[in-house]
Amino acid sequence: QVQLQESGPGLVKPSETLSLTCTVSGVSISDYFWSWIRQPAGKGLEWIGRIFTTGTSSYNPSLNSRVTMSVDTSKNQFSLRVSSLTAADTAIYYCARQIVAVPPGANYYSMYMDVWGKGITVTVSS
Amino acid sequence: SSELTQDPAVSVALGQTVRITCQGDSLRSYYASWYQQKPGQAPLLVIYDKDKRPSGIPDRFSGSTSGDTASLTITGAQAEDEADYYCNSRDTSGIHVFFGGGTKLTVL
Repeated sequence: QVQLQESGPGLVKPSETLSLTCTVSGVSISDYFWSWIRQPAGKGLEWIGRIFTTGTSSYNPSLNSRVTMSVDTSKNQFSLRVSSLTAADTAIYYCARQIVAVPPGANYYSMYMDVWGKGITVTVSS
Repeated sequence: SSELTQDPAVSVALGQTVRITCQGDSLRSYYASWYQQKPGQAPLLVIYDKDKRPSGIPDRFSGSTSGDTASLTITGAQAEDEADYYCNSRDTSGIHVFFGGGTKLTVL
């Protein structure tokens, strides 16, 4: 059974950098893509970006300049860093496994998030 | 284009059928996936690749696409289906992922 668990600080100051880690269990992190998604209180979901174990990453263009993701295969973990924080970055942050694959017999790429962590609440405030 | 439009709220009588829609240009090129989110919980994948259900998702949930509109249909809605539903797809580059604004489903 694949499980994901987010960890990191619940409170960070404006202008500082947020660092979150997602620990994966039940599957090797090397075999999949991994994503971060966030959700401000009472609002919708925003995809932040994804990473593969080779280091290949793609980020939401609206956040691209402030976001960095990394993978630690020895710990089966992947991480998110968001710099230059403002109150607008206050949200629940989720990590998720992102399937990016060609289904058997298909001529298209599937792309969806099939397993999610429970989320971690991050507040940006002085 | 990176915009998916959903109705903010939809209601359905218990046991009836409801369709939740998601409109966007990228849906002409890429399949949608759908996520159910109940209060205080993480999103749960209910439909992927337009019309496929993950293991454990009841068969009253189904998906379809016509042109630039993807639909999630719940046939015989149950009280436990009351939740927010989000569609998800890729932008026209095929690289970046984005979500619709979400639809709050109320089961009356």
